Amino acid sequence: GAGVSQSPSNKVTEKGKDVELRCDPISGHTALYWYRQSLGQGLEFLIYFQGNSAPDKSGLPSDRFSAERTGGSVSTLTIQRTQQEDSAVYLCASSWGVAAETQYFGPGTRLLVL
Amino acid sequence: DQQVKQNSPSLSVQEGRISILNCDYTNSMFDYFLWYKKYPAEGPTFLISISSIKDKNEDGRFTVFLNKSAKHLSLHIVPSQPGDSAVYFCAASGRNAGNNRKLIWGLGTSLAVNP
Repeated sequence: GAGVSQSPSNKVTEKGKDVELRCDPISGHTALYWYRQSLGQGLEFLIYFQGNSAPDKSGLPSDRFSAERTGGSVSTLTIQRTQQEDSAVYLCASSWGVAAETQYFGPGTRLLVL
Repeated sequence: DQQVKQNSPSLSVQEGRISILNCDYTNSMFDYFLWYKKYPAEGPTFLISISSIKDKNEDGRFTVFLNKSAKHLSLHIVPSQPGDSAVYFCAASGRNAGNNRKLIWGLGTSLAVNP
């Protein structure tokens, strides 16, 4: 079956521009997570969605970052007024539920802010 | 404050030998632990997990050991193969005050298996 997909796979943008990153989770998975991995760093949790519950936004680094999940499926991570320090790989993962710890990851979106 | 620590950023092992990757945690509320493997330009993939009610879980060449009193777990790969060369992430979870779960990740250990 189809895994988690993300688009675009690569994105180069200029400082100050807004970007949108998309994630299509595995069908039926109710939990969706966004992480980022900066060069030489581990996985940094950003946000997760679980069903119709309010998302856990505790990992978002600033108010320039926001995410939404429409219809309990596709999610979009938006970064406004991008900065060079936003350059990273943004990873999306999904799981059957927040109590199901095994998360399945997409290939990531490589964002470069010039 | 790093609740899940992988103190070795890299490890190099000869093909056919054992690879041992270590992970320490500080939160005694963690009750489920996972190892993920990540190749360059790909997302992490689940490898093996262990519940806190067990001290060992084995899956083929991969075995995870959990020492709760020491808050330490390790991943053993025997025998190591060149295709095992990747970054290995340790992750842990436990129920928080809201009865939700969230994975807390280590920074990863880069394993190189030399032919």
